[in-house]
This record gives sequence, structure tokens and C-alpha cells, in this order.
Amino acid sequence: AQTVTQSQPEMSVQEAETVTLSCTYDTSENNYYLFWYKQPPSRQMILVIRQEAYKQQNATENRFSVNFQKAAKSFSLKISDSQLGDTAMYFCAFMSNSFQTSGSRLTFGEGTQLTVNP
Amino acid sequence: ETGVTQTPRHLVMGMTNKKSLKCEQHLGHNAMYWYKQSAKKPLELMFVYSLEERVENNSVPSRFSPECPNSSHLFLHLHTLQPEDSALYLCASSPSSGRQREQYFGPGTRLTVT
Repeated sequence: AQTVTQSQPEMSVQEAETVTLSCTYDTSENNYYLFWYKQPPSRQMILVIRQEAYKQQNATENRFSVNFQKAAKSFSLKISDSQLGDTAMYFCAFMSNSFQTSGSRLTFGEGTQLTVNP
Repeated sequence: ETGVTQTPRHLVMGMTNKKSLKCEQHLGHNAMYWYKQSAKKPLELMFVYSLEERVENNSVPSRFSPECPNSSHLFLHLHTLQPEDSALYLCASSPSSGRQREQYFGPGTRLTVT
């Protein structure tokens, strides 16, 4: 079974600064996906970024980028130029790329509450 | 807007009531999921439907009864709930096959059982 660990329950950052959220995972699989989801106070879960394990290049989406270290099983999220609207709970999630399952199965970490201060 | 809607957004019910949660997706997906999110706990996957067939039931009590009449709609029927069932219930959808199987979530239903 896979596990996902987010060791930072809470973090804060000043507006316009950069912050990095940590995530580690444990799996015996070689082919999988990793995601960061954001859940703001509205509770809407929003997909922020995805990384395919077979790709060496780190994914980037505007101000959001990841540092994917496959050997270390680490998948951190960097938010640049933080904005007040980035205040949210951030969840790291693992998905096996097994084609034997119909649909997908996400394993979530416990989340990191990020607060962006003005 | 993620293309997944849930109604109602808030629900208060007594332990003897029967109610239903509804989820609808407009993304052309054919897999749908129910999650329970309680305070201070990771998301718990409850049920998985793929191609309108239930493919996973994670030891959920029988007082929760899912229904998937077609690939766009998913229901969660509730009866004789307990106060500990109070939580945010999230619905999600994804393609059932292929490489791009990430899940898209609805806004959730905040359920309070009194």
C-alpha cells in the first residue's frame, strides 16, 4: 500500500514571497502520478499541478512548480510570488498508474494549511 | 468551477431522517467517487463507480447507500445516521481508463447530524 506524508501541518508566508511545501511518499511501484490539490476556505478541492513519475522534468503551472525527486520519493510544491488567494489547505496525492483498476485511486496526505499574510 | 456540482451544499438532519446527496458531472467522465472529509483526518474514499458499476466499497456502514443511475449522476442515500457521520462529503469524477485519470472534485456537501 502507498502512503503519503506531509510533515508540515501549518505554514505561513508573506505576500509576494516564495514558500515550499513538503511531501514524501512510499511506494514499490515505478509508474505513477503525483498531484497537489488546493482546498481554500470554500472547501472546493482544486487540482493545482500533476507530475508523471516517468518524466524527469519538473512540472510547472504559472507560479506553482514542483521538485520531484524520484529516488528520494519526495515531491515538494513551490509557490512563487504568494498571493492572498493562495491561502488554503494543500494536499499531496499519489495515484498508481495501474491499468488493472478501473478509474483511479488517490492516496492523500494529511494536508498543510498555508496562510499568506498581507 | 470544476465541472462537478453537488447539492445540497449544506444539510442538517436528525438521526431518524432519510436524505440524499446528489452529484453531477459535466466532464464526460465515466468514473465517480464519494469521499468523506472529517476534521483532522485525511480524505476517506467511500465508494467508486466505474461505467455505472460499483467497483469499490471501503467498509462503509450500510446506512450509506450509493446509487449511480448513469455516468453523469451519483447519489448518496442517507438513513439513520449517527452524529459521527457529520462531515464534508465530496464527490469526484475522472475518466475510467487511459493515462489522464486525475480526479476533479465538486464543492462538497456539509452534513450535520443532530
